[in-house]
Amino acid sequence: AQSVTQLDSQVPVFEEAPVELRCNYSSSVSVYLFWYVQYPNQGLQLLLKYLSGSTLVESINGFEAEFNKSQTSFHLRKPSVHISDTAEYFCAVTSRGYQKVTFGTGTKLQVIP
Amino acid sequence: DADVTQTPRNRITKTGKRIMLECSQTKGHDRMYWYRQDPGLGLRLIYYSFDVKDINKGEISDGYSVSRQAQAKFSLSLESAIPNQTALYFCATSEGRTMTTGELFFGEGSRLTVL
Repeated sequence: AQSVTQLDSQVPVFEEAPVELRCNYSSSVSVYLFWYVQYPNQGLQLLLKYLSGSTLVESINGFEAEFNKSQTSFHLRKPSVHISDTAEYFCAVTSRGYQKVTFGTGTKLQVIP
Repeated sequence: DADVTQTPRNRITKTGKRIMLECSQTKGHDRMYWYRQDPGLGLRLIYYSFDVKDINKGEISDGYSVSRQAQAKFSLSLESAIPNQTALYFCATSEGRTMTTGELFFGEGSRLTVL
């Protein structure tokens, strides 16, 4: 069985400050990892993904996440947040040859002007 | 137009009524899913379908049923709605029957309120 833990339900941060959203996963097989973002009143959209290769993956809007197999983590980071980053962020995991995707409970990022 | 379209976007109904949420997609994907989102619980899988003849229960299928009418259409039904089915429902798709990364493409959601 696979599972995802997002340790923080809400993270307030001032504009232009750095942020880290934490994600830990559990799986007995090789995994694919994802971060999805949900802006207010919208559906989820993919932010970035780890499939294989380089353990550091980046998004087009400045977010990055690092796959750490030994710590079973996939934390999301941004060095300087903007008001427009205010949203809920979901970490998700699936296994290679997968049947379904498992989501974490989400972290609400609130950027304070 | 959206690649994954859900109807209705909002619905208020009464306990005991039958409700159908519809999902259609133009992405040509084989796999389709229904999730529900509740505050603090994230997304939980209700049903999923890997092709027209393949329907599978997710982690919270009790009280729900689905129909895969075509590759592009996947409907979720609540036969007798109850208040704790009040939630935001998402349809999602992903590509491939055997080779896939698991990346999901979501509709904009259907907000259901059961009084």
